[in-house]
This record gives sequence, C-alpha cells and structure tokens, in this order.
Amino acid sequence: EDQVTQSPEALRLQEGESSSLNCSYTVSGLRGLFWYRQDPGKGPEFLFTLYSAGEEKEKERLKATLTKKESFLHITAPKPEDSATYLCAVDSGSEKLVFGKGTKLTVNP
Amino acid sequence: DTAVSQTPKYLVTQMGNDKSIKCEQNLGHDTMYWYKQDSKKFLKIMFSYNNKELIINETVPNRFSPKSPDKAHLNLHINSLELGDSAVYFCASRYGLILGYTFGSGTRLTVV
Repeated sequence: EDQVTQSPEALRLQEGESSSLNCSYTVSGLRGLFWYRQDPGKGPEFLFTLYSAGEEKEKERLKATLTKKESFLHITAPKPEDSATYLCAVDSGSEKLVFGKGTKLTVNP
Repeated sequence: DTAVSQTPKYLVTQMGNDKSIKCEQNLGHDTMYWYKQDSKKFLKIMFSYNNKELIINETVPNRFSPKSPDKAHLNLHINSLELGDSAVYFCASRYGLILGYTFGSGTRLTVV
C-alpha cells in the first residue's frame, strides 16, 4: 500500500530563516509526486509535480527536489505569507492521490 | 472563473438527516474525485469517477452515494448522517494521467 510520511508536523521559522520540509514515500511505482499548499478554510493549491529522481522545480522562494525515497521542499528566506500547511502526495498509477498528513509552517515577522 | 466549485461551503445538520453536496468543474477534465479531510487535516480519497463511470470506491459506507450526471459534475449524497461524518469534503478534478489535480474550496459538514 502506498504511504507518505511528512516531517516535521509543524515548523516555526523567523522571516528570512531558510529551512526544508521532508516527504518520504513508499509506492509500488511512482508516476508523480505532488506538493500542495493549503491555507485555512481553503482547498489544496497545486505547487509542483515531480516525476523522476533528480528532478527539481522552483517557484519564487520554493524549490522541490526528488530522490527515489523522498522529496524535499526547500523554503528560502521565507516571508509571513508563506505560512500555510504544505501537503505532499503521490500518484502510483492507481488513479488516486495518497496524501501525507502535512507540515504546518508558521513564519513569524 | 472558479475552476472547481462546491456548494454549499458550510453545512450544519442533525444526526439521521440526508444531505447532498454538489461539485462542478469547468476545466474540461475527465476525472473527478471526492476527498475527505478529517479533524487532523488528513486528506483521504473516497470516490473517483472518469467520464461518469465509477473508478474508485475506497471502502466508504453505503450511506455515501456519489452521482455523476455528466463529466463536469460529481455530487455526493449522504444518508442517515452520523457524528463521525463531520469533516471537510473536497471535490477535485484531473485531466489525463500526468497533470496535477485541481481542488475545490471544500464543504465543511458538521453533524450535531
């Protein structure tokens, strides 16, 4: 069964303090690994899809990387508006996304 | 234009009642989903439909019945609501096998 584990569960950063979120996964065959951002009271907002080990994608202060066992979401010089819950999910070809429990990021000014 | 829209956004009802949540997508996607997010924010798939055909039913109680009148709509009907059904329900859609999933803004169901 596909499994996704995210760590840490919660992370507090000062504005400008860079850090990384981890997503480790176990799947029979990875078709895609997804990162989403979720703000309170809203639906998950798509950030990145990674397909193969070694792939990297960037968007503003966020950079996602992928290995055969895990993915990292690097946040460089975060701002308070980056505060949200970040969700990782995998698609193993079973026609569904399997999500981790998320990392709640708080960036203090 | 809203890509995936759900109604209602909030739903408060008593135990034993029957309620429906509607979902519509204007993206032209061929696959639609219902996900449930529990109090710990964990998202789990319930159902998947591809072009009106049921693909996935993740051992959801029979009280939950999805209906897809066309590929742009996927509704969720819940019979005999229970306290444990309280959660946020998200509709999502996807085009093909590779592209990301687009989620609606959710329906917060509270059963009292």
